[in-house]
Amino acid sequence: GENVEQHPSTLSVQEGDSAVIKCTYSDSASNYFPWYKQELGKGPQLIIDIRSNVGEKKDQRIAVTLNKTAKHFSLHITETQPEDSAVYFCAAKENDMRFGAGTRLTVKP
Amino acid sequence: DTAVSQTPKYLVTQMGNDKSIKCEQNLGHDTMYWYKQDSKKFLKIMFSYNNKELIINETVPNRFSPKSPDKAHLNLHINSLELGDSAVYFCASSLRTGGPYEQYFGPGTRLTVT
Repeated sequence: GENVEQHPSTLSVQEGDSAVIKCTYSDSASNYFPWYKQELGKGPQLIIDIRSNVGEKKDQRIAVTLNKTAKHFSLHITETQPEDSAVYFCAAKENDMRFGAGTRLTVKP
Repeated sequence: DTAVSQTPKYLVTQMGNDKSIKCEQNLGHDTMYWYKQDSKKFLKIMFSYNNKELIINETVPNRFSPKSPDKAHLNLHINSLELGDSAVYFCASSLRTGGPYEQYFGPGTRLTVT
């Protein structure tokens, strides 16, 4: 089955800096790669996703890149703000959705 | 409007009891899921279900059973609760099973077994 690894497990940045979270996956048949943001006491919220026929996707301060050959994808957050502080999960899906272990991002004001 | 809702938000119960968590989605999706999130925040799928097929993660004890009265609801029944069942349980839904479809999550139910 699919195995998704996510790094780093914790990330602390200064407000205004960029944050990058990286994930690798094992199943080359995976074709959908979402990113979720989970705030304290809430459910995971889809923030951006990318499908296997695309190499990069951007939505305002958030971007995701996908390298299918290397089987890795990354989340980039620019101009970070304190409200970006949360746990971020990557996932890979062919049939089942498999999640990474999460990255706790802290943005210091 | 809440897309995926769950009740209750908190559930505290004793070992050996039987409990249920309800989930409803108003997105018109065909497929619903249950996930378990442990104390380390790891998200693990338990079930996926549409009106044709129930897929069970083989590691889920048979004390857990999903029940779907209709397409918009997937409730989770847990028998003979154990301490290790304490976790946050999330319901989710997607348009179809399989394929590159977004999954939307409910707010979660924190289950504490004492």
